[in-house]
Amino acid sequence: ETGVTQSPTHLIKTRGQQVTLRCSSQSGHNTVSWYQQALGQGPQFIFQYYREEENGRGNFPPRFSGLQFPNYSSELNVNALELDDSALYLCASSLDRQGATGGLGANVLTFGAGSRLTVL
Amino acid sequence: AQSVTQPDIHITVSEGASLELRCNYSYGATPYLFWYVQSPGQGLQLLLKYFSGDTLVQGIKGFEAEFKRSQSSFNLRKPSVHWSDAAEYFCAVMNTGFQKLVFGTGTRLLVSP
Repeated sequence: ETGVTQSPTHLIKTRGQQVTLRCSSQSGHNTVSWYQQALGQGPQFIFQYYREEENGRGNFPPRFSGLQFPNYSSELNVNALELDDSALYLCASSLDRQGATGGLGANVLTFGAGSRLTVL
Repeated sequence: AQSVTQPDIHITVSEGASLELRCNYSYGATPYLFWYVQSPGQGLQLLLKYFSGDTLVQGIKGFEAEFKRSQSSFNLRKPSVHWSDAAEYFCAVMNTGFQKLVFGTGTRLLVSP
């Protein structure tokens, strides 16, 4: 089975610009979550998508938005970039709890290698 | 609100020595608990998880963790550390109603020869 793939791996933007990060889910997974990991910190939950709709959101402003596509891949969009947006952005896929056989298997998130964003 | 505390920012262990990384969580009910490892420039790899049942769980790479409800802890252990274990280790908690992980700030493990 293929894992979670993210692109691009690295990118540099300037303040005020917009960025789109992409994620392909692990085969068989239908739920995608995005996390922001600032330098020296643990990952922070941004939001989750299930059935192409936002299914929960962390403490991030509306300029962070996302999409999920019918093939379960996802995008994270950040508008009006700020210096503090510099971070590693991690995508994780999982199987929704209703769909998982045995139930608990749904609670395992598989992470991609991340996209490192630098805002100058 | 859920939270995770990893009190040790850095730990240095000699190769071959035993390891214990501490994790304390705050959550109203029995949580789902996880340990992830992150090597430099890499994403997160799941080491082990606890959902219910036996409080001692085995993971990959020879790691194990013990859930202690009375202490709200989920400490990670390994009997003999290898140089390749040098990495950042994150403890995380997930509530039973939503697939959101809350991570600690991580513990960086250094392995000395």
